[in-house]
Amino acid sequence: DTGVSQDPRHKITKRGQNVTFRCDPISEHNRLYWYRQTLGQGPEFLTYFQNEAQLEKSRLLSDRFSAERPKGSFSTLEIQRTEQGDSAMYLCASSLAVGSRAGDSYNEQFFGPGTRLTVL
Amino acid sequence: GDSVTQMEGPVTLSEEAFLTINCTYTATGYPSLFWYVQYPGEGLQLLLKATKADDKGSNKGFEATYRKETTSFHLEKGSVQVSDSAVYFCAPYNYGQNFVFGPGTRLSVLP
Repeated sequence: DTGVSQDPRHKITKRGQNVTFRCDPISEHNRLYWYRQTLGQGPEFLTYFQNEAQLEKSRLLSDRFSAERPKGSFSTLEIQRTEQGDSAMYLCASSLAVGSRAGDSYNEQFFGPGTRLTVL
Repeated sequence: GDSVTQMEGPVTLSEEAFLTINCTYTATGYPSLFWYVQYPGEGLQLLLKATKADDKGSNKGFEATYRKETTSFHLEKGSVQVSDSAVYFCAPYNYGQNFVFGPGTRLSVLP
């Protein structure tokens, strides 16, 4: 396995359009996380899945954002009616963990290279 | 909630210079502490971690000691290389919560 992959690496869109990003985690990992990183800032947690269940969502995740992980493998993050403030790097990470909460046990999160979104 | 204060960058050093990147945190309870590194064009990678007071995490010549009394986890390296140029993130991790990443410190090492 070559690690966490994300597609596309770059996306430029016009305000008001919908965009969808994909993340493929390390195959045996059961947890998948989405983060957003703006210029000069550290990653901010958006949401995470354990297998196909979305267990936690940050208040940063507005109604225009939706994430899915239908078969417990890859995940998609969709942003509807994009706004210029959505411009950021969207990072995906995966880990192998036990427990049902993000903090039940720490296992290293492996990050993908990110998808850079620019909303014009 | 938890928060992290990191040394403002960019930090520019000559090769073989000594590096310190300061990190202090505010957290409830007794967090584990992490440093992640992000090389240009790549995702974040775990650099080192420490899970209890006075523990020293180390990797690739980098070290950081968990100082509970000062709530700090400063990153150090005795002799930096050009290949160490990257952005470094300090992150406390508290049981039952998510990672809180600092703003990152960009390091540039000149040959």
